[in-house]
Order: sequence, then C-alpha cells, then structure tokens
Amino acid sequence: GNSVTQMEGPVTLSEEAFLTINCTYTATGYPSLFWYVQYPGEGLQLLLKATKADDKGSNKGFEATYRKETTSFHLEKGSVQVSDSAVYFCASGGGGSYIPTFGRGTSLIVHP
Amino acid sequence: DSGVTQTPKHLITATGQRVTLRCSPRSGDLSVYWYQQSLDQGLQFLIQYYNGEERAKGNILERFSAQQFPDLHSELNLSSLELGDSALYFCASSPEGQGVGRQYFGPGTRLTVT
Repeated sequence: GNSVTQMEGPVTLSEEAFLTINCTYTATGYPSLFWYVQYPGEGLQLLLKATKADDKGSNKGFEATYRKETTSFHLEKGSVQVSDSAVYFCASGGGGSYIPTFGRGTSLIVHP
Repeated sequence: DSGVTQTPKHLITATGQRVTLRCSPRSGDLSVYWYQQSLDQGLQFLIQYYNGEERAKGNILERFSAQQFPDLHSELNLSSLELGDSALYFCASSPEGQGVGRQYFGPGTRLTVT
C-alpha cells in the first residue's frame, strides 16, 4: 500500500529562520500530495497541495514541490514566525487508491 | 471554521462500554472519513463513506463500526472499549468520491477510557 514518511520532530527554530520539513512517499500510481497543519486543540487544515509531478503548492509563505524522481514533497518556508508553531502532516491520496495516507506529523516550535 | 461539526467534544467512559461519535459534514459534501489520532500511532485512517456506502476501509478494529445516513451525517460506534482506545477521533468531509482530494476536518472528539 501507499505510505508517507516525514521527518521526526520536534523542529525548533528561531523566528525568521528557514524551515524545511522532509516528506517522502511511496505509491503504486501518481497520487496527489498534501500538507496539512494542526494548531493546538484544533483539527487539521489544508495548507497546500500538488496534484501532479513538478507542481508547486504554495500558501502563507509555505511551498512544496512534487518531485516524482525523488518521490518527495518537502515543505519549506523562508522565514518562520511564532504563529507557525503547529504540527505539520504530509499526506498522499488518489493515484488509484481511495485510502488517504498521512505521515506521523512533525511538530514545529518557533521561538521569538 | 471548516464547516464540519463533531459531537461530543469530550467523552469519558469506562472500559467495556460502548459510545457513539457523531459527525456532520460540510453542506454538499458526500464523503466522510474517520480518523483516530493517538500519540503512539499518529493519525490513522479508519473508514470512508461516500453517499451512504462504505468506500474504503483502513485500520479499523472489528469492535468499531460506522455508518452514513441519508442526510449524510455519520456515526462511529466504538464498543467493548479498552484503555488503548483513548484518542482523538476526527471526522473529515470531502466533495470528492473518486480517489482522495482535499479534506475538511472537524474539531475532533476526545475520548478517554478509564
């Protein structure tokens, strides 16, 4: 079946630092890829998505590019803020599978 | 606000009991997904319904069952509860039935089994 692996956290950064959270996937077809964010006490919210190879998803300063050759979808942000502190989930879906697959989540802590 | 509602917000019950969690999807969304989130297992997909029919099944225990009603709300039934069932249970909805697209998550129900 499909799987998603993302780097373990917590990731601790100072405000305005550069962020990368690695995510790789395995799939039999060509799934859509997603990053969701979960703020404390809330449900997951879609942050960005990409539906095919070389697509770049972006939102709120975050970006991720669908890399078929490396089966990756790494999340990046050039300058993080304290308000970005949350848990980030990489996910895949589709590509012939009805089953959504989530990574284990990476906690990001940003200090002022 | 995602438009997905879940009740109750918190639930505390004893081992061996049965509980029902309820989810109302966003208006117009036909797909409902259920997930279990725990510290040791992360976010686990349990089951999906599309327009009243079971569409996909994940790591759902036999003690758990779900259904989606004609008005599209869904219920997750957990029986013979064990301490290890303590977790956050999320419902998500999506307008898509083919494959997996964007999902809108509810705020979750926190279940504590004592």
